[in-house]
Amino acid sequence: ETGVTQTPRHLVMGMTNKKSLKCEQHLGHNAMYWYKQSAKKPLELMFVYNFKEQTENNSVPSRFSPECPNSSHLFLHLHTLQPEDSALYLCASSQADGNSPLHFGNGTRLTVT
Amino acid sequence: GEDVEQSLFLSVREGDSSVINCTYTDSSSTYLYWYKQEPGAGLQLLTYIFSNMDMKQDQRLTVLLNKKDKHLSLRIADTQTGDSAIYFCAPRPYSSASKIIFGSGTRLSIRP
Repeated sequence: ETGVTQTPRHLVMGMTNKKSLKCEQHLGHNAMYWYKQSAKKPLELMFVYNFKEQTENNSVPSRFSPECPNSSHLFLHLHTLQPEDSALYLCASSQADGNSPLHFGNGTRLTVT
Repeated sequence: GEDVEQSLFLSVREGDSSVINCTYTDSSSTYLYWYKQEPGAGLQLLTYIFSNMDMKQDQRLTVLLNKKDKHLSLRIADTQTGDSAIYFCAPRPYSSASKIIFGSGTRLSIRP
């Protein structure tokens, strides 16, 4: 079982809906990440949080809104998405020490209709 | 920008060795990771090598690093059906985990 848990595993939403993806890590890490994995495209880093502070936003559209209330939890709030936002959204965590690898959750498969 | 290249597909016969290759451009990479992604799952850290090493062996896995040519390979001995997955090469500079660049992944399929 992965130390990074994502819910829900699958989500179907209309373009006018608002939903949230949740990620929780049980590894004692202090950095958390959102990645987007689309078919036939490389893994795209979206957001990075170190010690609950956002340190990176890779030009992600504002219809994606991250939230990191503490070092163990990470959310991705979604609103007015487009069909091209359909993808696998992966959460990862690591120690923020410049040495440690990323540990991934199993992802949320999002379909926007 | 920095780039990582991998072949998209590899097919091997069960029991044979699989060799997945990767080339990268970031010469400051200190750790170089291999991740495995099975269907419906996230990326699982498989193994890694530090940049001052040229080889690392871990049971059926052998990682080779040619730092001069910026070439990394993953050899899986005695490939089994459970090895079917997508394998990602991921070099990482020392400065920050967020700078990890993932390759597009190599899909390994096993023939009986």
